[in-house]
Amino acid sequence: LAKTTQPISMDSYEGQEVNITCSHNNIATNDYITWYQQFPSQGPRFIIQGYKTKVTNEVASLFIPADRKSSTLSLPRVSLSDTAVYYCLVVPNQAGTALIFGKGTTLSVSS
Amino acid sequence: GAVVSQHPSWVICKSGTSVKIECRSLDFQATTMFWYRQFPKQSLMLMATSNEGSKATYEQGVEKDKFLINHASLTLSTLTVTSAHPEDSSFYICSAWTSGKETQYFGPGTRLLVL
Repeated sequence: LAKTTQPISMDSYEGQEVNITCSHNNIATNDYITWYQQFPSQGPRFIIQGYKTKVTNEVASLFIPADRKSSTLSLPRVSLSDTAVYYCLVVPNQAGTALIFGKGTTLSVSS
Repeated sequence: GAVVSQHPSWVICKSGTSVKIECRSLDFQATTMFWYRQFPKQSLMLMATSNEGSKATYEQGVEKDKFLINHASLTLSTLTVTSAHPEDSSFYICSAWTSGKETQYFGPGTRLLVL
């Protein structure tokens, strides 16, 4: 499975846009890029998934350049409740593949 | 999105006893379920993969006789921590995958405290 690298931590203020970049140099052709959010003492929550270019949903946007060796999760106008750990994973499009989590990025949002 | 539940949400037990944790997919059939463990301020660690009707596959370093996994139906997997010890105290999380979805859905987790 492709290894991912993302910043250990980030700080932001309410109302700002936050961009978290993830590197995955060894991404394979059939890999998807997936982001999860985890609050303390809760299971991870799926945020967004993409294969290439840009994906947007009601929560976030995911930007993937043409070479797919990195991706950027964009959270518009963060609030205090967005304080959490964000995990970037590269997942093969294969039946029942386990997710291997890295350290994630701890995002702290202040008022 | 799909819903996965876990029961109990937290449990305290005495050292040497066994504890069973249930993981259910509420609105879909889970072909495969996964069990993770998470210690404080650490990431999730995959413990095992279970496929309905077959034996679980354990990750290296995870004792299969200590962490018994049963995936008897397409909506239920159970993890039994046998002869629990204080070092087994952790946050246990399950996830479920189903054919047709390219991602997994996680349960809310079970906090285990072994005294």
